[in-house]
Order: sequence, then C-alpha cells, then structure tokens
Amino acid sequence: GQNIDQPTEMTATEGAIVQINCTYQTSGFNGLFWYQQHAGEAPTFLSYNVLDGLEEKGRFSSFLSRSKGYSYLLLKELQMKDSASYLCAVTPGGTGFQKLVFGTGTRLLVSP
Amino acid sequence: NAGVMQNPRHLVRRRGQEARLRCSPMKGHSHVYWYRQLPEEGLKFMVYLQKENIIDESGMPKERFSAEFPKEGPSILRIQQVVRGDSAAYFCASSPERASYEQYFGPGTRLTVT
Repeated sequence: GQNIDQPTEMTATEGAIVQINCTYQTSGFNGLFWYQQHAGEAPTFLSYNVLDGLEEKGRFSSFLSRSKGYSYLLLKELQMKDSASYLCAVTPGGTGFQKLVFGTGTRLLVSP
Repeated sequence: NAGVMQNPRHLVRRRGQEARLRCSPMKGHSHVYWYRQLPEEGLKFMVYLQKENIIDESGMPKERFSAEFPKEGPSILRIQQVVRGDSAAYFCASSPERASYEQYFGPGTRLTVT
C-alpha cells in the first residue's frame, strides 16, 4: 500500500525559516516531489529528489532519506506569497511512469 | 508557449447528468494524467493516457467514469450520471515522455453536483 504523511497546517512569520516534513511508505520508490499549490490554482513543481541528500534551489531546499522514508522541504526568508499548500508526492516503483501518490498537503500560513 | 489547458474551469451539474472535462496538454506533450482532489483531501491519481491508449486506469472508479485521449483533440474525462460525491477539483497534468519527472498541471475543473 501507499501512505504519505505530512502535517496539516503550519504557521510562520515573514523572513523566518520553516521546515515541512513528509514521511512515506510505498511499495517501491522512484522519486519524491514537492509541489506548491495556491488556493484555487494548479500545483506547481518545486523539487524532485531521487537520491539521498539535499537539493537546493534558491530559497527552497528539499532533503531525502530513502532508508528512513523521510523528506523535508525547507523554505528560507519566508515571504507572504509563500502562503500556500505544499504537497509531498512519491512515485512508486515498477510502474515505468511517473504516477504520483500525494499526501494531503501542508497548509502554510505566513504572517507579517 | 501555452501551458496545460483545462475547460471548463467550473462546471455545475445536477445529479444524474453527465459531466465532460477537457484537457489540452502542453505543446509537444503526448502523455496525460488525470487526478481528483476531494475537499480537504490530497490529489488522487485516476488515469494515465497516451495518444489513443489508456495505459493505467487503476485509480478510476469502475463505473460511470471513462477517459480518452484521441489522436486529434483534447483528452476527455467523462463522468456519467453524476452524484454529489463526484463534486471535486479535477486536475490534468502532462509530460513529454513516459518516464519524465516533469509533470505540468493544468488549472483544474471544479465540478459541483447539486
């Protein structure tokens, strides 16, 4: 079966750093994704990790530990526009294509 | 370069009617995925299609739901005899290759069944 867990909601203040955790249990593993979704809009791609370690892209970084079934998304220098839902998704192995299995998402509220 | 297009953006249907949701992938993309997002829930995979072929429909309900991606024209997700529980946001995503991790989402169609 597939199970992906992330916190439901988080709050932080402008300029701060926030870490959103994601744990997963899937039958096989072919990569982990983070998407950002503003209310009423399409999810937009943030990062993709398939090997252990940290991937940095500007203010956003994503970390993966395959042995622990764990990832986090780190957002630095938070801005008001970062208020959104952050979706963790995993591609199970063996399908030969990128079928995404999503968690329920973490709603992040950034306050002034 | 237009992104993934979905129409309509909002659709209201009465119970028992049919709903047709359209998705035009990004230019050059021949792989389409449909996902459903119920209120307060995560996105759930429904079906994966290539041109004229359904590759994986393991996430799609066996009854009332069907999908196609014809040689010409958009991909269509069809829901027959809609019920209140079908009310959700339906997102389409496209990618250029089968195993590509680049999956681009459309803006979604919000279906409301009254």
